[in-house]
Amino acid sequence: DVKVTQSSRYLVKRTGEKVFLECVQDMDHENMFWYRQDPGLGLRLIYFSYDVKMKEKGDIPEGYSVSREKKERFSLILESASTNQTSMYLCASSFISRGAEAFFGQGTRLTVV
Amino acid sequence: GDSVTQMEGPVTLSEEAFLTINCTYTATGYPSLFWYVQYPGEGLQLLLKATKADDKGSNKGFEATYRKETTSFHLEKGSVQVSDSAVYFCALSDLEAGTALIFGKGTTLSVSS
Repeated sequence: DVKVTQSSRYLVKRTGEKVFLECVQDMDHENMFWYRQDPGLGLRLIYFSYDVKMKEKGDIPEGYSVSREKKERFSLILESASTNQTSMYLCASSFISRGAEAFFGQGTRLTVV
Repeated sequence: GDSVTQMEGPVTLSEEAFLTINCTYTATGYPSLFWYVQYPGEGLQLLLKATKADDKGSNKGFEATYRKETTSFHLEKGSVQVSDSAVYFCALSDLEAGTALIFGKGTTLSVSS
């Protein structure tokens, strides 16, 4: 079974903290993605990466950065957490091919207080 | 940029009713189209997909046809079950053009017995 594993299901952080969300996939996928999911807004792409050390901004990159030092691992970093970053964060991965299915992790529910 | 628009929910149906969830897209290239489903408390999973015009994706009684002329990919099921209650997301990707997986806002389906 393909597995995309996110390091935490639930996190509570304080405003101003630096927050790391980790994602690991075991299928040798080239693509990895970070989304946030909010009620009424669906899934919005924060960043994606199609190769090690490569990254592309999505629709809402402000306040976030990413790191991909190894193919299987894609980290999302909140440099200084704010309350408006309270959300569900979803990681996904896929091959680079037409119609490739994306596989999702279970999500991290982040609350910033 | 590329985008996906799907009908707002929630959609409330009785068991065995016919389901249609509308989805239209805007794309500069020639994307692949997907429906993903998120059951309560779970991550997203692929329901069906189509990679070229007039292709029909199908799975678990659900169907959707890639209509290039109307830029649509409507989801249908002839007879819904209580177990189909979930959030449904329409999505597109065009990795060859550098477009990552982009989602609509999601439609919540609630089926009662």
